[in-house]
Amino acid sequence: GAVVSQHPSRVICKSGTSVKIECRSLDFQATTMFWYRQFPKQSLMLMATSNEGSKATYEQGVEKDKFLINHASLTLSTLTVTSAHPEDSSFYICSAPAPGGRGPQHFGDGTRLSIL
Amino acid sequence: QKEVEQNSGPLSVPEGAIASLNCTYSDRGSQSFFWYRQYSGKSPELIMSIYSNGDKEDGRFTAQLNKASQYVSLLIRDSQPSDSATYLCAVNTPSGNTGKLIFGQGTTLQVKP
Repeated sequence: GAVVSQHPSRVICKSGTSVKIECRSLDFQATTMFWYRQFPKQSLMLMATSNEGSKATYEQGVEKDKFLINHASLTLSTLTVTSAHPEDSSFYICSAPAPGGRGPQHFGDGTRLSIL
Repeated sequence: QKEVEQNSGPLSVPEGAIASLNCTYSDRGSQSFFWYRQYSGKSPELIMSIYSNGDKEDGRFTAQLNKASQYVSLLIRDSQPSDSATYLCAVNTPSGNTGKLIFGQGTTLQVKP
């Protein structure tokens, strides 16, 4: 089955640090990947759609200069949280859709980000 | 009106009972429907996909789709404490071919021993 690998699984760092999270599709190509954020006991919130070879599409209210997305290849998308602050602490999850466009999304294991 | 609606719960059922989870969606053009299970602190895990009207069974899980009523449900038979989780309903966006899904807010299921 389709596998999505996300690293790191957990990050703890000081305020002001920039943090990069990687999302890889291991056995299929993904021209599109999705980045979500989830606060405790809340629902998934789509942050942005990562597009291979072009700019990401951000959801309303998400700062594109704060959350930098790069999708340089058909198997890798990265999310960089720039100058992270405690309010950025959250669970970040990436996903890639099954090839074909009608299938499910396959999720990475998520990254728990804690900013001190 | 939200695009995908679920009762947030919690839905509490005794062990061995049938748990029934419901979801409605607003876009009649949607063609793909999914149920994900999410344990606390973990990422969502796909448990069922359904694309045509009717029932689809996989082990203890049955997904039911009624496009006329814009309604999709998940039945869990012989519920186990390990089924306690949040269940997310997801529906595809008909426009474009990006694979983007719209998620409901999730229903928390508690199965009591």
